[in-house]
Amino acid sequence: AQTVTQSQPEMSVQEAETVTLSCTYDTSESDYYLFWYKQPPSRQMILVIRQEAYKQQNATENRFSVNFQKAAKSFSLKISDSQLGDAAMYFCAYRRWGNEKLTFGTGTRLTIIP
Amino acid sequence: NAGVTQTPKFRVLKTGQSMTLLCAQDMNHEYMYWYRQDPGMGLRLIHYSVGEGTTAKGEVPDGYNVSRLKKQNFLLGLESAAPSQTSVYFCASSYSNGDVYEQYFGPGTRLTVT
Repeated sequence: AQTVTQSQPEMSVQEAETVTLSCTYDTSESDYYLFWYKQPPSRQMILVIRQEAYKQQNATENRFSVNFQKAAKSFSLKISDSQLGDAAMYFCAYRRWGNEKLTFGTGTRLTIIP
Repeated sequence: NAGVTQTPKFRVLKTGQSMTLLCAQDMNHEYMYWYRQDPGMGLRLIHYSVGEGTTAKGEVPDGYNVSRLKKQNFLLGLESAAPSQTSVYFCASSYSNGDVYEQYFGPGTRLTVT
């Protein structure tokens, strides 16, 4: 069974600085997707970024980028120029290609210090 | 489009009572899911459906039942609520076109069982 591990329950960063959230996963599959979801205090789950395992290039979305290391089964999220609105729980998730189910990590709570 | 909506947003039950959570989506998605979110445990899949009239068990199905009588609706039932079912419940939906695509989440339902 696939597992997703987020080893940092809480992180904090100064506003305008850069922070990296860690995620590791375990799978025997070669084709899969990885995701980062943001959950602000409103509880709404928001997709931040997606990475296809077959793509070597790391995904980026504005201030959000990932460092995908397939051999190491590592998928970290970098947030540049942190803003107060980035404060949230961040969940890493895995989905095998062709499978409809997501497996989530336990989340990292990110605090932004003004 | 309203996206994915959940009814109700909050509910308090006494042990042994029953209730049904309603999820509705207006995106014509084939797939629908029910998750529960507990502190320190991320989101865990309860049941899911790959189409109208079909349902399947997820990771934590015990104590819950589901029905998908219409494509746009996915109901989650608790026949005899227990305090262990106190949680935040999320519904999600996704579409398929060869592979299964991103899940869109509802706003969540906070359920307390006393």
